[in-house]
Amino acid sequence: AQSVTQLDSQVPVFEEAPVELRCNYSSSVSVYLFWYVQYPNQGLQLLLKYLSGSTLVKGINGFEAEFNKSQTSFHLRKPSVHISDTAEYFCAVSGSGSNYKLTFGKGTLLTVNP
Amino acid sequence: NAGVTQTPKFQVLKTGQSMTLQCAQDMNHEYMSWYRQDPGMGLRLIHYSVGAGITDQGEVPNGYNVSRSTTEDFPLRLLSAAPSQTSVYFCASNKGGQGSYEQYFGPGTRLTVT
Repeated sequence: AQSVTQLDSQVPVFEEAPVELRCNYSSSVSVYLFWYVQYPNQGLQLLLKYLSGSTLVKGINGFEAEFNKSQTSFHLRKPSVHISDTAEYFCAVSGSGSNYKLTFGKGTLLTVNP
Repeated sequence: NAGVTQTPKFQVLKTGQSMTLQCAQDMNHEYMSWYRQDPGMGLRLIHYSVGAGITDQGEVPNGYNVSRSTTEDFPLRLLSAAPSQTSVYFCASNKGGQGSYEQYFGPGTRLTVT
């Protein structure tokens, strides 16, 4: 079984500031890790994923995340945010042998203020 | 491709009523799943299917039934709605097999049970 903890439920930042959204996971098996974004009243869109290989993964809209196996973390970062990045962000994990079942964190609401 | 489609977008039910949430995908994906999203809870897996005729329970299956008679469709049935089933429901699909890591989400159905 896997679990995901998103350490911040809300993160307010000013436009053009850097941001980090934190995610920790636990699992007894090899995992795949994902970040999804949900804009208001919309479905979920995949931002990026870690499957294997390089621990730094780049996604859409200038986001990147770093997989740290020793700390069981997969934090999401962006060096300069825009108003349009205001959304809820979900970290998710699946077992590498069961990629049809995602376990989600509770979400982090990123609010970018002018 | 329309991707993953869900109907209806909104629904209000009275306690004890039954209904079916529809989900269809036109990508010939093997895997399909239902999640519910509640404030502060993230998304939780209700039921999933790894192919036509094969379904299994997720984290929160009580009060819901599913069946998968075709590859394209994966309806979710509420037999006797309860206020605790007020939620936003998302259907997702995944290609299946090696290399199929991304789940594609529908736009969601917002259900209110009074």
